[in-house]
Amino acid sequence: ILNVEQSPQSLHVQEGDSTNFTCSFPSSNFYALHWYRWETAKSPEALFVMTLNGDEKKKGRISATLNTKEGYSYLYIKGSQPEDSATYLCAYISNSGYALNFGKGTSLLVTP
Amino acid sequence: NAGVTQTPKFRILKIGQSMTLQCTQDMNHNYMYWYRQDPGMGLKLIYYSVGAGITDKGEVPNGYNVSRSTTEDFPLRLELAAPSQTSVYFCASKPRGQGYEQYFGPGTRLTVT
Repeated sequence: ILNVEQSPQSLHVQEGDSTNFTCSFPSSNFYALHWYRWETAKSPEALFVMTLNGDEKKKGRISATLNTKEGYSYLYIKGSQPEDSATYLCAYISNSGYALNFGKGTSLLVTP
Repeated sequence: NAGVTQTPKFRILKIGQSMTLQCTQDMNHNYMYWYRQDPGMGLKLIYYSVGAGITDKGEVPNGYNVSRSTTEDFPLRLELAAPSQTSVYFCASKPRGQGYEQYFGPGTRLTVT
């Protein structure tokens, strides 16, 4: 079992605020880092798959960065909207494994 | 493509009963996974498979069994259901390769009473 830590555990922001979350993972034997968005009563959906140190990916107002040498990734949401309310999961996979190791997620609530 | 489908959506079992949760994917993915979601604990891996005929234990395999006779299907068997198995179960699949995302099914909500 590989430890994937996410912080904060939960976050409550106002509409229009920008926010960011952290995912930390083992820096050795890195293969890939995934971010998923998980809305209540639905199943997780992929946001980003990141494989290279220094990767930066963007989808609309959401972006992510990756530092494999120090073992962390940041997810940024610019100008949060109520529809961004969800749990954001990161997952790490090592080059000796076949399964994603998920963190417990950051629960985001955006209120108008 | 239907993606990853799971049946049933909901089920209530009595303690000691058995059942099979079905999972099918039509994307020809090699890798398939079963997770359970417990409140505050995120997703825990039960079993996974890297191809037909190959399965392996995840973090929480006790009380469960799987088989993978075809690429498409990956059923999860619960023998002698216990209240601790009350959870939401997600099946997922993924192509082999570094840059590919994982696709999740809609989940099965199981209650054991």
